[in-house]
Amino acid sequence: QKEVEQNSGPLSVPEGAIASLNCTYSDRVSQSFFWYRQYSGKSPELIMSIYSNGDKEDGRFTAQLNKASQYVSLLIRDSQPSDSATYLCAVNDPGNTGKLIFGQGTTLQVKP
Amino acid sequence: DAGVTQSPTHLIKTRGQQVTLRCSPISGHKSVSWYQQVLGQGPQFIFQYYEKEERGRGNFPDRFSARQFPNYSSELNVNALLLGDSALYLCASSLWGGDTEAFFGQGTRLTVV
Repeated sequence: QKEVEQNSGPLSVPEGAIASLNCTYSDRVSQSFFWYRQYSGKSPELIMSIYSNGDKEDGRFTAQLNKASQYVSLLIRDSQPSDSATYLCAVNDPGNTGKLIFGQGTTLQVKP
Repeated sequence: DAGVTQSPTHLIKTRGQQVTLRCSPISGHKSVSWYQQVLGQGPQFIFQYYEKEERGRGNFPDRFSARQFPNYSSELNVNALLLGDSALYLCASSLWGGDTEAFFGQGTRLTVV
């Protein structure tokens, strides 16, 4: 079982819709969770961090964490074509190595 | 404020050669991590340094080494390059590592021929 799993997609949504991106992780002890956006040929850009169960909202983005289910998600409201990118879920390694464990990423396509 | 800067942005090397990649973290950040990303996959952890000490090492061969300088900048060295080392090498800067937010530089695209 992979440590962090994401559906590679592509996930296709129409402009203005809500995009829902999901991620599961295997280590119950993990405490910190991050979403990065990566445009083709560019480096990952941090868009959200979440540390506690529940929802965290930042503009059009909402991160949701459920530690009991080992599940973290990212909702993008009012999706725009500029949101088309690969979204990477990352989980910290609880072994205090400073390591982030990444999923393979979900490709999002927002169609005008 | 300057973000994380990496140099060079692109590099072409021949098999068997050695390469050094450089990274300057965000001002005030004391931790630097290195990741390797191949096409279609998420970044894979190589090293983390905090206050000039190696804090963690990923599953990479001993051909990979790194260090952090007193000004918190860092170098990643790869010896005896293989074709499979071709990838995007990413440097991430964070306040003190651990579970703090990490910010990536633009990356160095290494091609081994």
